[in-house]
Amino acid sequence: GEDVEQSLFLSVREGDSSVINCTYTDSSSTYLYWYKQEPGAGLQLLTYIFSNMDMKQDQRLTVLLNKKDKHLSLRIADTQTGDSAIYFCADPNQAGTALIFGKGTTLSVSS
Amino acid sequence: GAVVSQHPSRVICKSGTSVKIECRSLDFQATTMFWYRQFPKQSLMLMATSNEGSKATYEQGVEKDKFLINHASLTLSTLTVTSAHPEDSSFYICGYYEDGYTFGSGTRLTVV
Repeated sequence: GEDVEQSLFLSVREGDSSVINCTYTDSSSTYLYWYKQEPGAGLQLLTYIFSNMDMKQDQRLTVLLNKKDKHLSLRIADTQTGDSAIYFCADPNQAGTALIFGKGTTLSVSS
Repeated sequence: GAVVSQHPSRVICKSGTSVKIECRSLDFQATTMFWYRQFPKQSLMLMATSNEGSKATYEQGVEKDKFLINHASLTLSTLTVTSAHPEDSSFYICGYYEDGYTFGSGTRLTVV
């Protein structure tokens, strides 16, 4: 079945860049997504990328997509303590009716 | 944009009782919805998807008799956890697919 894999933890200092990586198995998806979840909270859509794009930049966020390798990354520039959260990579299921989430990367930002 | 209202946000129930969680779309009619479960420090696992007026499609390993999903109208879906046990304690999130994926704010269920 479809699978999405992520590294589980990332620790950075405030002001540094953070890069969160993700690999997926379903190559037919039109879009790929990044969500943020703060402790005890729901999901916040951070950004998404269309499958025919290699890169998308949105303020401090840069998404890179390597379709050949089925690799997606999220770069957060000038990481702040408020960026501490769990970040999920998500890929639509084959029917497109729901998302398959990675295990989530816990980003810890120290000042 | 689309808004999903999910409630209750938190519920504590006794073991053996049933709990209903509601998911409402506030400004659009959704034909497809989904329910996820998230155990502490784990990912969101898809439980089921459903279409309005038809039966839900459950993911492998999810007991359909225990987790009753009803999608009777285009604006309301419900998840009922029947005969809840402590191992059902989890964070449940609903959402709709309609030109994108929109999620509710989640329900923290604690079974004591």
